Amino acid sequence: DVKVTQSSRYLVKRTGEKVFLECVQDMDHENMFWYRQDPGLGLRLIYFSYDVKMKEKGDIPEGYSVSREKKERFSLILESASTNQTSMYLCASSFSQFLWEGPEQFFGPGTRLTVL
Amino acid sequence: DQQVKQNSPSLSVQEGRISILNCDYTNSMFDYFLWYKKYPAEGPTFLISISSIKDKNEDGRFTVFLNKSAKHLSLHIVPSQPGDSAVYFCAAPGAGSYQLTFGKGTKLSVIP
Repeated sequence: DVKVTQSSRYLVKRTGEKVFLECVQDMDHENMFWYRQDPGLGLRLIYFSYDVKMKEKGDIPEGYSVSREKKERFSLILESASTNQTSMYLCASSFSQFLWEGPEQFFGPGTRLTVL
Repeated sequence: DQQVKQNSPSLSVQEGRISILNCDYTNSMFDYFLWYKKYPAEGPTFLISISSIKDKNEDGRFTVFLNKSAKHLSLHIVPSQPGDSAVYFCAAPGAGSYQLTFGKGTKLSVIP
């Protein structure tokens, strides 16, 4: 079974703090993704990476950065947390770039971040 | 510009009856669709998918139908069970085939 783990299930931080969210996958997947989920807005892509040290902006990258130093690990960084970054953060991974191999993404359990 | 739309935020169904969740898309280049299920405080899990070369794909109680001319797909759950209560997202591969564009989700409540 594919396993995607996230470093924390719940996190509470103060405005202005630097926040690190870690994600690890154990299936040698090429692609990794960070989403946030908010009520009524669905899943919105923040950043993704299709290879080590490679990153691409998603739909809502402002206020976030990412790091992928190893294939299995993808980190999301909030440089200076703000209250509007309170959300559920979901990490995902997928194997292939090619449609015929299936673009299914496998998700971690999520991190509920509260910024006070 | 929302390319994948789930226009019903919520749906309530009696246990044992059919649940039908709908999804519309605007991009005619989409040729593969996926459904995910999400329980509160958990990550989404992949449920079922369909390629545009088919108009139906079935997996146990779950069937997805695709109507390409209408740019519409639907997920049927028969019979519905209380454990099916969750948020359901439809998704399609976006600009790069490894990116998924998600709808906003439909919260299904199955009433015992």
